[in-house]
Amino acid sequence: AQSVTQLGSHVSVSEGALVLLRCNYSSSVPPYLFWYVQYPNQGLQLLLKYTSAATLVKGINGFEAEFKKSETSFHLTKPSAHMSDAAEYFCAVGGYSSASKIIFGSGTRLSIRP
Amino acid sequence: DGGITQSPKYLFRKEGQNVTLSCEQNLNHDAMYWYRQDPGQGLRLIYYSQIVNDFQKGDIAEGYSVSREKKESFPLTVTSAQKNPTAFYLCASMGTGGTGELFFGEGSRLTVL
Repeated sequence: AQSVTQLGSHVSVSEGALVLLRCNYSSSVPPYLFWYVQYPNQGLQLLLKYTSAATLVKGINGFEAEFKKSETSFHLTKPSAHMSDAAEYFCAVGGYSSASKIIFGSGTRLSIRP
Repeated sequence: DGGITQSPKYLFRKEGQNVTLSCEQNLNHDAMYWYRQDPGQGLRLIYYSQIVNDFQKGDIAEGYSVSREKKESFPLTVTSAQKNPTAFYLCASMGTGGTGELFFGEGSRLTVL
């Protein structure tokens, strides 16, 4: 069985500060891992994905995530937060083709302080 | 531009009424999905379809029904049997041979009065 846990339902950082959103997963097979972003009243948009290639994955809008097998983690980071980064972020773990096996975390709402 | 279109974006209904949410895609994707989103609970899978005329229940299918008569369309009906239908509903699709990436519509917010 696969599962994903996002630590912290709400994270607040100052503009220009480091963003760190935490995600830990559980999977009995090599996982595919994803981070999605959701702006208010909109659908989800893929930020980045890990599919067993490079462990450091770069995504859109300056975000990146590092796959650490020993820690079963896939934390999302951005060196310098912008006001436009305020949104909800979801970590997801999935299989190889079927979304029925893609499990979403409960989400982390990121707020940016001016 | 290719994408997924959901309609309506906002919908208000009285208790006991069935409502149908539309989802259309022009991405030529085989697989389509419906998720329900509630605050603090992430996304939960309602139904999914991997080919035309075939669909499977997800984790929370009770009180919902779907059809897949065309590749492009995957409507969701929220029936009166759904005990707590007020939620944000998201439709998504995935191409074959991909790496599990889902493409989402902009969602439909259903409020039952």
